[in-house]
Amino acid sequence: GEDVEQSLFLSVREGDSSVINCTYTDSSSTYLYWYKQEPGAGLQLLTYIFSNMDMKQDQRLTVLLNKKDKHLSLRIADTQTGDSAIYFCAESPPRGGAGSYQLTFGKGTKLSVIP
Amino acid sequence: DAGITQSPRHKVTETGTPVTLRCHQTENHRYMYWYRQDPGHGLRLIHYSYGVKDTDKGEVSDGYSVSRSKTEDFLLTLESATSSQTSVYFCAISESSEQFFGPGTRLTVL
Repeated sequence: GEDVEQSLFLSVREGDSSVINCTYTDSSSTYLYWYKQEPGAGLQLLTYIFSNMDMKQDQRLTVLLNKKDKHLSLRIADTQTGDSAIYFCAESPPRGGAGSYQLTFGKGTKLSVIP
Repeated sequence: DAGITQSPRHKVTETGTPVTLRCHQTENHRYMYWYRQDPGHGLRLIHYSYGVKDTDKGEVSDGYSVSRSKTEDFLLTLESATSSQTSVYFCAISESSEQFFGPGTRLTVL
């Protein structure tokens, strides 16, 4: 079955880079996602990567995908206190019923940024 | 934020009572999803819809039913709420690979 693993906590100093790691088990996953959740809020889609790519950069965010090892990472450059949140990794297998995307989520990594 | 609203945002109910949660979108997206979020479990898919009157089960569908009579509305019903259904419920929508989430409904079943 599908399973997505993340470490639960990460603490970094303001201005440093943060790297959040994720491993997944479904080698047929088509897309891999990173979501951010702030306290009491919904999930915000940060970025996602198609499985035939190995890197995607978007401003301070860099996603690396190692498909051989089924490893995904999110690097946040120049981490700010506003980046403190829970970050979820999610995978999407090939399109499900009627073309839907049924995401499987990790348990989330809580990022704490120390001023 | 994508045009997704959920109602109510908070609800406290008693075991055995029926509960309906509503998700409303203004994006005209084809796909709608209900997830629940619990500590230690991340988010898990309950049901999803791929069109009006077209729905299917997700990973944790037992005890839940859904309906979609209009493109913009997706209802989640707990026919007889149990304490194990205390959770935060999120609706999501998508038209393609990007999936956008609503603000969530916190449900407490006493």
